[in-house]
Amino acid sequence: DVKVTQSSRYLVKRTGEKVFLECVQDMDHENMFWYRQDPGLGLRLIYFSYDVKMKEKGDIPEGYSVSREKKERFSLILESASTNQTSMYLCASSLPRPGGTEAFFGQGTRLTVV
Amino acid sequence: AQTVTQSQPEMSVQEAETVTLSCTYDTSESNYYLFWYKQPPSRQMILVIRQEAYKQQNATENRFSVNFQKAAKSFSLKISDSQLGDTAMYFCAFIRGSSNTGKLIFGQGTTLQVKP
Repeated sequence: DVKVTQSSRYLVKRTGEKVFLECVQDMDHENMFWYRQDPGLGLRLIYFSYDVKMKEKGDIPEGYSVSREKKERFSLILESASTNQTSMYLCASSLPRPGGTEAFFGQGTRLTVV
Repeated sequence: AQTVTQSQPEMSVQEAETVTLSCTYDTSESNYYLFWYKQPPSRQMILVIRQEAYKQQNATENRFSVNFQKAAKSFSLKISDSQLGDTAMYFCAFIRGSSNTGKLIFGQGTTLQVKP
């Protein structure tokens, strides 16, 4: 089975802290993604990586950065956490095939910033 | 820019009955793919069904089928013989056919409750 594993299910952090969300996939997928899920807004893409050390901004990159030093690992960094970053964060991976390639998701990290 | 709209935030259905979830999208692309993903409570999101825009035949996966109306830009999901395990949030999603980035554009989601 394809596995995408996120390091934490639940996190509580203080405003201003630097926060790291980790994601590991075991299927040798080139593409990896970080999405943010909010009620009524669906999933919105924060950042995307198509190879080691390669990244592209998604639709809502402000306040976030990413790191991909190894193919299997993609980290999301909140440089200075704020209460409006309280949300569910989903990591996903997929193969670089045109069009209908299936994305595989992690279980999600519910982050609360207080 | 592409957009995906799910206008039903919540729906419910009795076990064994049929339910249809709606999705509309907007794009100027001629080649694209559409998906329905399922997110069960506290579990990982999984792919339910996929439709290629250039295929006229509606996709089917066991109890799940789609009604793809390309001219109307509509992509609804029909769940037949609903089961308690179908309780989940369902997301409609879009990918450009020419893209190999896999970047999905999601709708807002529909929460489906299957009642015993």
